[in-house]
Amino acid sequence: EVQLLESGGGLVQPGGSLRLSCAASGFLFSSCAMNWVRQAPGKGLEWVAIINGRGQTTYYADSVQGRFTISRDNSENTLYLQLNSLRVEDTAVYYCAKSDMGLYGDPIYFWGQGTQVAVSS
Amino acid sequence: DIQMTQSPSSLSASVGDRVTITCRPSQTINSFLHWYQQIPGKAPKLLIWRASRLQSGVPSRFTGSGSGTEFTLIITSLQPEDFATYFCQQTYNTPFTFGPGTKVD
Repeated sequence: EVQLLESGGGLVQPGGSLRLSCAASGFLFSSCAMNWVRQAPGKGLEWVAIINGRGQTTYYADSVQGRFTISRDNSENTLYLQLNSLRVEDTAVYYCAKSDMGLYGDPIYFWGQGTQVAVSS
Repeated sequence: DIQMTQSPSSLSASVGDRVTITCRPSQTINSFLHWYQQIPGKAPKLLIWRASRLQSGVPSRFTGSGSGTEFTLIITSLQPEDFATYFCQQTYNTPFTFGPGTKVD
């Protein structure tokens, strides 16, 4: 059974940092591209970033480029998202989400339950 | 970036109704269009991938069609558990944008 368990969310002041983690199990983690997707309160879904299976290739949404970093540790079956220079508008539920082997063309096959990030002074 | 529009933004329907939702990307995306269902307070769930492929375990009352710049999700006979918000997403090019959603209530 595929499981994705996010952690690391919380309340942070504007300009602060957080590191989100996603523990994966039930599938061959190192073969799958992984995403982060966020959802602000009462809003729609916003794709944030993707990383390929080997961790060599990453892409980001324009809104987080240069502030957020996606990474992975295949030996620990864990996905990360480093959030720096946080803004109020980064407040959202952050979902860890599994694609397939390719970066392009595939959907998000499975989603974690999300971790809440709140940016406020 | 590829902009995604969905119509309608919301609709009212009854059990047994046929529901049609349209997604239009701002440029052609081949068939790299996917549909998700989100129930309030829950994570999204994949329904249809690559425009028309039914995800395993999803009821056959959900069908997808289209290519290029117009795609459609149809629920042939709405069931009580289908009252939710539906999102389309393109994975043709980064950023992998989502549509704004269609709320079915």
